[in-house]
Amino acid sequence: QQQVKQSPQSLIVQKGGISIINCAYENTAFDYFPWYQQFPGKGPALLIAIRPDVSEKKEGRFTISFNKSAKQFSLHIMDSQPGDSATYFCAALWRGGTSYGKLTFGQGTILTVHP
Amino acid sequence: KAGVTQTPRYLIKTRGQQVTLSCSPISGHRSVSWYQQTPGQGLQFLFEYFSETQRNKGNFPGRFSGRQFSNSRSEMNVSTLELGDSALYLCASSPHRDRGTTNEKLFFGSGTQLSVL
Repeated sequence: QQQVKQSPQSLIVQKGGISIINCAYENTAFDYFPWYQQFPGKGPALLIAIRPDVSEKKEGRFTISFNKSAKQFSLHIMDSQPGDSATYFCAALWRGGTSYGKLTFGQGTILTVHP
Repeated sequence: KAGVTQTPRYLIKTRGQQVTLSCSPISGHRSVSWYQQTPGQGLQFLFEYFSETQRNKGNFPGRFSGRQFSNSRSEMNVSTLELGDSALYLCASSPHRDRGTTNEKLFFGSGTQLSVL
């Protein structure tokens, strides 16, 4: 129930294309859904996040779409650039009665954007 | 502000040995979490410390342990190393707010790459 399933494992996109990464969860108690971006040799960094009372959040070329009834959310990268090549992790926060909670991460998607 | 610092950057050990990894959080951050990253499993939560107390724990065997010091610096220890412990170990800190610390935003270090031979 604490799992977050992410797909695809890897994705190759041409420059200027749209990259789409999907995540699904079971635990309806998750209440915060961030995406992290990780470049080789670095730790993950928060990219964008959404709460379940919102269906979409956009920040620049990055958009999260959230479908509460389907328990799915996805990251869309518009006009993908070679500099976007990285590993992307979705995550979900379960508070379990606390204020701080615990993040559960998906397995990660390796995105390669060809020039 | 300096970021999360992890030392050492790389480590090579043999089976049966033990290892200690160190993490210095961002100044003012009191929560430190540890994750294990492997190619097939992604990021697996190990444990979290706040004010020197473990307040969250993942599903790892007792060979994995950690602690936090009064200055919020944290260490994790792995005893009796196994080949499967080879991974990137990431430390993350999170800020404290008036309403309490939240793990909504984690700041990760670059990790310690552990290889067990």
